[in-house]
Amino acid sequence: DVKVTQSSRYLVKRTGEKVFLECVQDMDHENMFWYRQDPGLGLRLIYFSYDVKMKEKGDIPEGYSVSREKKERFSLILESASTNQTSMYLCASSSTTMDRRNTEAFFGQGTRLTVV
Amino acid sequence: GQNIDQPTEMTATEGAIVQINCTYQTSGFNGLFWYQQHAGEAPTFLSYNVLDGLEEKGRFSSFLSRSKGYSYLLLKELQMKDSASYLCAVSRGSTLGRLYFGRGTQLTVWP
Repeated sequence: DVKVTQSSRYLVKRTGEKVFLECVQDMDHENMFWYRQDPGLGLRLIYFSYDVKMKEKGDIPEGYSVSREKKERFSLILESASTNQTSMYLCASSSTTMDRRNTEAFFGQGTRLTVV
Repeated sequence: GQNIDQPTEMTATEGAIVQINCTYQTSGFNGLFWYQQHAGEAPTFLSYNVLDGLEEKGRFSSFLSRSKGYSYLLLKELQMKDSASYLCAVSRGSTLGRLYFGRGTQLTVWP
């Protein structure tokens, strides 16, 4: 059974803290993604990576950074957490075929982060 | 950004058929995905359309018209457990790996 695993299901952090969200996939996928999901706004892409040590900004990268040192692991970092970063964070991974088509993305179970 | 539009909410009764529409405007279109997301859970993959036409998978079918920038997800013989959010997502060949999601359609199935 394919798996995308996020390190925490629930997190509570204080304003100003540095926060690390970890994601690991066991499918040898090239592509990994971090989204946040808020009511009425849908899934918004923060950052994605299509290879080790490669990263691309998504639609809302401000206040976040990422790290991909190994193919299976993609970390999201909140440099200084703020209350407007309270959200559900979803990690996903996918593969790309030889003819440049995307396979379906597999999602982790999500991390509900509350910043107080 | 990409313009991906789908209705915010829909309701239907058990046993009925419902069609959820998705329209998109994008260059370099590569394919369209549908995902299901139950409350508090992660999205799960339902279907993928690359070519025009209907793809059938049990009670769920998905249709694509590339020339019209239009897709729909058809759910037959609705069950209570089909109450969920349905997400339309577009893939572009020029942005390898990335999907562009609509805001989702919240479907409520009544007994």
